[in-house]
Amino acid sequence: GAGVSQSPRYKVAKRGQDVALRCDPISGHVSLFWYQQALGQGPEFLTYFQNEAQLDKSGLPSDRFFAERPEGSVSTLKIQRTQQEDSAVYLCASSTDPPYGYTFGSGTRLTVV
Amino acid sequence: SQQGEEDPQALSIQEGENATMNCSYKTSINNLQWYRQNSGRGLVHLILIRSNEREKHSGRLRVTLDTSKKSSSLLITASRAADTASYFCATDSNYQLIWGAGTKLIIKP
Repeated sequence: GAGVSQSPRYKVAKRGQDVALRCDPISGHVSLFWYQQALGQGPEFLTYFQNEAQLDKSGLPSDRFFAERPEGSVSTLKIQRTQQEDSAVYLCASSTDPPYGYTFGSGTRLTVV
Repeated sequence: SQQGEEDPQALSIQEGENATMNCSYKTSINNLQWYRQNSGRGLVHLILIRSNEREKHSGRLRVTLDTSKKSSSLLITASRAADTASYFCATDSNYQLIWGAGTKLIIKP
């Protein structure tokens, strides 16, 4: 597609519920990233894929967070047993390799109530 | 953990004036990038400057990089109401972008 597409745009989850956030990167972009952005802050790195390989997951805050990109295109970020502190905007970005700037999706705003 | 720090945190100027934002960082980098984010929207890539470059221009944007001081500045000339947004610098040392907290820019008509 023309840009990075994320869905859903908004998600309200009850505490303890599992959620799945989807990212559809730009076709042909090898690299895919997930970031978490709290209100009024800059994004914080969560994880990085090169094709289907997850090369870095050091930013995932706990083992409740899991990301996959099984065919090297679409990626899913899953959060199990959501907690209130998980409330944030989750941003996906993709790039060529090596990158020249990153293209971000509009994000998924997750609110845990 | 955030590496970059933008300064000022907020800036309010009249339309037509120039806006300057600064960014400082802590570790060595491959490049530094500036992004814009409108309220509730995604991040838009503005400009990338490599570690061996000192200045770069793109339209009304001018970016400088001083690796000895580990700092960068973004200048927006002849500001417009549509420039109202938050501006972030991000350093790229090894594919992972490290971000500052951003400068909130308001352009008053």
